Amino acid sequence: QKEVEQDPGPLSVPEGAIVSLNCTYSNSAFQYFMWYRQYSRKGPELLMYTYSSGNKEDGRFTAQVDKSSKYISLFIRDSQPSDSATYLCAMSESGGGADGLTFGKGTHLIIQP
Amino acid sequence: GAVVSQHPSWVICKSGTSVKIECRSLDFQATTMFWYRQFPKQSLMLMATSNEGSKATYEQGVEKDKFLINHASLTLSTLTVTSAHPEDSSFYICSARGTRETQYFGPGTRLLVL
Repeated sequence: QKEVEQDPGPLSVPEGAIVSLNCTYSNSAFQYFMWYRQYSRKGPELLMYTYSSGNKEDGRFTAQVDKSSKYISLFIRDSQPSDSATYLCAMSESGGGADGLTFGKGTHLIIQP
Repeated sequence: GAVVSQHPSWVICKSGTSVKIECRSLDFQATTMFWYRQFPKQSLMLMATSNEGSKATYEQGVEKDKFLINHASLTLSTLTVTSAHPEDSSFYICSARGTRETQYFGPGTRLLVL
């Protein structure tokens, strides 16, 4: 079993829809959870950063962490064609950027105009 | 703020040659930088952790003599792929630990070894 599981997609939704992206993980020591967006042939861009369980909202993005289920989610409201990209979940045991991150494979998201 | 650059953005080399990739934090000092590798349709995989002024820490399975890492200053880390072979062809991405509690990534370097 891989440490982080993420459905690679592609996930195709119409413009304006709510998008739900998810990851599961097996290492109960993970405490810091991140979502990155990666466009083709580019480096990842940080979208959301959360610690432990709970919700965090930033504009159209909401990140949820359920440590009891080892399950994290990213919701995108009012999705736009410019949101089309690969979304990577990442996590680490220590915060402060001190440790290397463990990534999921990424979900390829397509927002149809 | 928190911009990380990489150079070159892409490189093609012959098998057996060495290639150096630079990673710079442009507007902040980074005591810790990380090097990742990403194969097509795969996760980013951590290769090594680089701390300024000390030896890099390599992940299991990564050959330290093949992937030489130098973190000589608070804004620059370099990765040298020595005696490159076609199987080393990949997308190499660095990240730097910023003032926020996470990492900021460079744009990546695409390496093709012929």
